[in-house]
Amino acid sequence: NAGVTQTPKFQVLKTGQSMTLQCAQDMNHEYMSWYRQDPGMGLRLIHYSVGAGITDQGEVPNGYNVSRSTTEDFPLRLLSAAPSQTSVYFCASSYVGGSYEQYFGPGTRLTVT
Amino acid sequence: GDSVTQMEGPVTLSEEAFLTINCTYTATGYPSLFWYVQYPGEGLQLLLKATKADDKGSNKGFEATYRKETTSFHLEKGSVQVSDSAVYFCALSKKDSSYKLIFGSGTRLLVRP
Repeated sequence: NAGVTQTPKFQVLKTGQSMTLQCAQDMNHEYMSWYRQDPGMGLRLIHYSVGAGITDQGEVPNGYNVSRSTTEDFPLRLLSAAPSQTSVYFCASSYVGGSYEQYFGPGTRLTVT
Repeated sequence: GDSVTQMEGPVTLSEEAFLTINCTYTATGYPSLFWYVQYPGEGLQLLLKATKADDKGSNKGFEATYRKETTSFHLEKGSVQVSDSAVYFCALSKKDSSYKLIFGSGTRLLVRP
């Protein structure tokens, strides 16, 4: 199993550009989520999904869109990039039920200039 | 709202020293508690977990006990190694919050030979 994969690993955008961060998992997990990591702030939840066709907002959803058309994929879209979105983005997945321990991808480092 | 507070780092220790990283939480209900570790340039890995009061999670020589009376989940290791140098995150999740992970800000550990 590849686990949780994310592409790209690094990305530089100009202010106002749009892009999609890809996330895929091969563990048949129902639950998937996106976090951003900023220095001194831990990880903050952007959006999450409890299954295909179901998404919901987390703590910091503004400026990001998600959709979940399959169990495996959960892309994160930046509609109009801003310097405040410079961060490291992590995707995670887990089974529904039990303790919901989450498995994280390797991250995408995004810089917006 | 629910929150997690960790001791600020960096924590610098010599090899074979005893490690404690403090973590306290504020939450209603009955959260599950986690410690995640992030090695340089990598994503987060689950280190250990506890799902109810008085549970002890353990892995790779690390331990943490879920103390409901003190709302704490302190991470300990009896003898650290250089390879333990990483950032450690305490986190909680609850079923009635759709199992969203709430993270502390992270504690950087540096172990010197």
